[in-house]
Amino acid sequence: AQSVTQLGSHVSVSEGALVLLRCNYSSSVPPYLFWYVQYPNQGLQLLLKYTSAATLVKGINGFEAEFKKSETSFHLTKPSAHMSDAAEYFCAVSERERDDKIIFGKGTRLHILP
Amino acid sequence: DAGVTQSPTHLIKTRGQQVTLRCSPKSGHDTVSWYQQALGQGPQFIFQYYEEEERQRGNFPDRFSGHQYPNYSSELNVNALLLGDSALYLCASSLDGRAFFGQGTRLTVV
Repeated sequence: AQSVTQLGSHVSVSEGALVLLRCNYSSSVPPYLFWYVQYPNQGLQLLLKYTSAATLVKGINGFEAEFKKSETSFHLTKPSAHMSDAAEYFCAVSERERDDKIIFGKGTRLHILP
Repeated sequence: DAGVTQSPTHLIKTRGQQVTLRCSPKSGHDTVSWYQQALGQGPQFIFQYYEEEERQRGNFPDRFSGHQYPNYSSELNVNALLLGDSALYLCASSLDGRAFFGQGTRLTVV
């Protein structure tokens, strides 16, 4: 069975500082990994998706994530936080390249301090 | 082009009642998936419809059922509502593998 574990339900960073949201995955098959963002009272928006084409995946809004098989990790980073980045972030996994039956983590709430 | 639209946006029901939630997929999208997101949790996969048939199902009881129409729109039905069914219900539509999510329906069971 596939699963993802997000480390830290809440993360606070200062505006302009590095954002690092941690995610570890478990999968018996080569995984397809996602990061989604959810703003208050809104649905989910795809930030980026790993499909084995490249280990470093660049997404929208300046975010990127690196797939590390040896560490079973897929951490999300952004060099400089902006106030508009405050939201809930979900790491997710699927066993197929199609976005079918996506398994989500519990989420990490990102707070940006002025 | 309208994205994925869900109706209603909010709903309050009483325990034991039945509810129907609706989803209109993004134009041209033939696959619809439903997720339940309880407060403070990540979304959980309920089921997926393709060509009017349930193609995959998550770990949800038979009280949860669905339907897809020829125009690809979909409904999620929940019978015999429990307090624990209170959640945000998200619909996602896809074509060729890329999923787009709607804003969800907030269901409160009292």
